[in-house]
Amino acid sequence: QQQVKQSPQSLIVQKGGISIINCAYENTAFDYFPWYQQFPGKGPALLIAIRPDVSEKKEGRFTISFNKSAKQFSLHIMDSQPGDSATYFCAASRKGGSTLGRLYFGRGTQLTVWP
Amino acid sequence: NAGVTQTPKFRVLKTGQSMTLLCAQDMNHEYMYWYRQDPGMGLRLIHYSVGEGTTAKGEVPDGYNVSRLKKQNFLLGLESAAPSQTSVYFCASSYWRTHNSYEQYFGPGTRLTVT
Repeated sequence: QQQVKQSPQSLIVQKGGISIINCAYENTAFDYFPWYQQFPGKGPALLIAIRPDVSEKKEGRFTISFNKSAKQFSLHIMDSQPGDSATYFCAASRKGGSTLGRLYFGRGTQLTVWP
Repeated sequence: NAGVTQTPKFRVLKTGQSMTLLCAQDMNHEYMYWYRQDPGMGLRLIHYSVGEGTTAKGEVPDGYNVSRLKKQNFLLGLESAAPSQTSVYFCASSYWRTHNSYEQYFGPGTRLTVT
């Protein structure tokens, strides 16, 4: 059973456009929602993260929008650049319980930004 | 700081052979994780450790064993490799308890092919 569902699987965007990747979850105990970025041949690295007490977090061109009632969150990349071409993973985690510290990842979105 | 390092970077095994993947971190992290990454499947947790001498099963533990004899090292073993274990393996580590930080730091990966 997949804890975090991510879409689309792949995304092609023109340079300067907006890239949007969506994720949904079921477990209301999740309280931390990060996005990881992975370049070819490299390990994933934390890009930006949000907690459920805020609806939006922005860092430069990257914004997370969070909808607690809908149990959905999304990554928006403004003014997309060819250097943003990578695979993006959403994830979720919760503080307590036996799964302490464990991240549940979506299946990833391969973003290609055309110059 | 080297961060998280993985040995080896590449390996080709024949079916039935055994091998050990080594992960080392120099950040004094408590938590360590082993993931496998397959196309379209995202990152799936194999095993993880919340401290020296402790391990726990993740999402896809069958066919793998782990050990954490030292805080800085986390070993992943394949006793009898199968073609289904062809994948890219990532190790990660995080502070969790001491810093209340959810961020996981990933190594560069090991590409394993089983023929």
